[in-house]
Amino acid sequence: IQLTQSPSSLSASVGDRVTITCRASQGIRSYLAWYQQKPGKAPKLLIYAASTLQSGVPSRFSGSESGTDFTLTISSLQPEDFGTYYCQQLNSYPQTFGQGTKVEIK
Amino acid sequence: EVQLVESGGGLVQPGGSLRLSCAASGLTFSNYWMSWVRQAPGKGLEWVANIKKDGSERNYVDSVKGRFTISRDNAKNSLYLQMNSLRVEDTAVYYCATERPSGCDYWGQGTLVTVSS
Repeated sequence: IQLTQSPSSLSASVGDRVTITCRASQGIRSYLAWYQQKPGKAPKLLIYAASTLQSGVPSRFSGSESGTDFTLTISSLQPEDFGTYYCQQLNSYPQTFGQGTKVEIK
Repeated sequence: EVQLVESGGGLVQPGGSLRLSCAASGLTFSNYWMSWVRQAPGKGLEWVANIKKDGSERNYVDSVKGRFTISRDNAKNSLYLQMNSLRVEDTAVYYCATERPSGCDYWGQGTLVTVSS
């Protein structure tokens, strides 16, 4: 199953609403996760089951789904939200990741 | 506090072997599926393999089938990845992670494997 993320990169200002999309090549039910990765660090789980916020993750992060389209939204971008964001499908093998979206702060 | 600590990475020649380990603490290890995920330098994440809680089921990405073996020792709270017939394209940081049905919640810091002559 291919996951296509868009955009591949974005630059936004503090306080902006940011939306990242992940499109699956076939149905994956809700077996989708979102991660944030900062340079030189391990990925951090933000959202699991497409829309459930991981414990300890700020509520400005949210996830949604519509068919095979999944969206990660940051309601008000903060300086610490820079990094690369990945989606992952765990519905079928091999599990796959999207190619990543690099978020920069203007 | 949950900790996953990988070890065993290093420089190896093409065709060589390495065994990665992941030591877990702060959690009931036997309650978790476990995964290995890798990241080539400057590239994205790639799922490599996973193993069921009791070790009875293992899954692999096609590119490592027949060359890599994932295993675990629940008595030692440890996960392993035996990597044989290594190729230049296996060069990456390898992460171990706990796997829930809809996401990987705990990750180690990663161990670098470099395959080069």
